[in-house]
Amino acid sequence: GIQVEQSPPDLILQEGANSTLRCNFSDSVNNLQWFHQNPWGQLINLFYIPSGTKQNGRLSATTVATERYSLLYISSSQTTDSGVYFCAVVGGTSYGKLTFGQGTILTVHP
Amino acid sequence: DARVTQTPRDKVTEMGQEVTMRCQPILGHNTVFWYRQTMMQGLELLAYFRNRAPLDDSGMPKDRFSAEMPDATLATLKIQPSEPRDSAVYFCASGFRQEQFFGPGTRLTVL
Repeated sequence: GIQVEQSPPDLILQEGANSTLRCNFSDSVNNLQWFHQNPWGQLINLFYIPSGTKQNGRLSATTVATERYSLLYISSSQTTDSGVYFCAVVGGTSYGKLTFGQGTILTVHP
Repeated sequence: DARVTQTPRDKVTEMGQEVTMRCQPILGHNTVFWYRQTMMQGLELLAYFRNRAPLDDSGMPKDRFSAEMPDATLATLKIQPSEPRDSAVYFCASGFRQEQFFGPGTRLTVL
């Protein structure tokens, strides 16, 4: 099945810093989503982005499907951004099954 | 504000007991998924329904797990009998077109 790799595995920032999270996938995808799992365990949708670029406030994402990667940008980070960021994809033959990466653990210090 | 709901939010039970988890998908969504999250395995798909029909349950231990959608507003995941290795957070997600939206999860602890 499709493989999803995220980097870095851990990231520690001071409030106000910017960061880039990367997601590499091993095959063509029908769907790519970024999620934030907050300290209470909730999975919050950030972006549905199988290709192209989207922005939502301080967050933006870019997926280059032909090169099989996606990037999540966080600008002016805040302590509330802390948590785990997951990239998840639906491979070309996987119907609707999301395959998740292992996540990036982000800690933002005040 | 439409969202996926799950009950119970927390469940502690003893080995051998039956556990039933419930999910109400977002109205109008035609796909429902059950995922399990553990520290060791991360997030993995257990079962998948489209228009209430089961399409994929290959991720589920068939001898003890069962998933159903008795109607469009209710999906259930049942474990019988439960075992300590089933301890995990179980998420339900519903989907419209390709995007999936997750419920808050049921944290299951089997003693």
